[in-house]
Amino acid sequence: SAVISQKPSRDICQRGTSLTIQCQVDSQVTMMFWYRQQPGQSLTLIATANQGSEATYESGFVIDKFPISRPNLTFSTLTVSNMSPEDSSIYLCSVGWDEQYFGPGTRLTVT
Amino acid sequence: EDQVTQSPEALRLQEGESSSLNCSYTVSGLRGLFWYRQDPGKGPEFLFTLYSAGEEKEKERLKATLTKKESFLHITAPKPEDSATYLCAVQVLGQTGANNLFFGTGTRLTVIP
Repeated sequence: SAVISQKPSRDICQRGTSLTIQCQVDSQVTMMFWYRQQPGQSLTLIATANQGSEATYESGFVIDKFPISRPNLTFSTLTVSNMSPEDSSIYLCSVGWDEQYFGPGTRLTVT
Repeated sequence: EDQVTQSPEALRLQEGESSSLNCSYTVSGLRGLFWYRQDPGKGPEFLFTLYSAGEEKEKERLKATLTKKESFLHITAPKPEDSATYLCAVQVLGQTGANNLFFGTGTRLTVIP
């Protein structure tokens, strides 16, 4: 397993602004994943971040809204852009292949 | 359409009162089924992987079982520290990786002392 940290742990943001979430892993990994967990809903994969290539986005998620960086094998960022209240959610990063190991999450509230 | 349904949504147990959580799935083919535990304010913590019908895995008071249509997470003599949300996820046959995991919405378990 891996130890994963995320920053910030929570934030309250105004509509129309952007927030960048950081994810740090204690070991080098090829792929990192970003999830969204909305209240009462299941975890939904946003995108897969590979080092040295463009992120791969799942259906319903686009790069303009959720740009991702992956500058090295232990770090990734997810930006939530031009936020609206519907973006209020918990955002999680994870690593692993089949079994996923998750960070503690970032709780985002958009007002 | 691939689908994962967990029941019940919430469960309250007295300490020591054993019970089971259900995860039923409809997928084109099952490669693996995963159970996670999620505490408030934390990310999901991996518990078990099951790959074939009839397989069982145990960890302390938890035992996970798998059939061709569903999985059960049995909790024997639960303690208050077992209180958490339990998530299951299925992975579709023929594909690997996180982009083929379908999560249920979870069962929120509360164990009362």
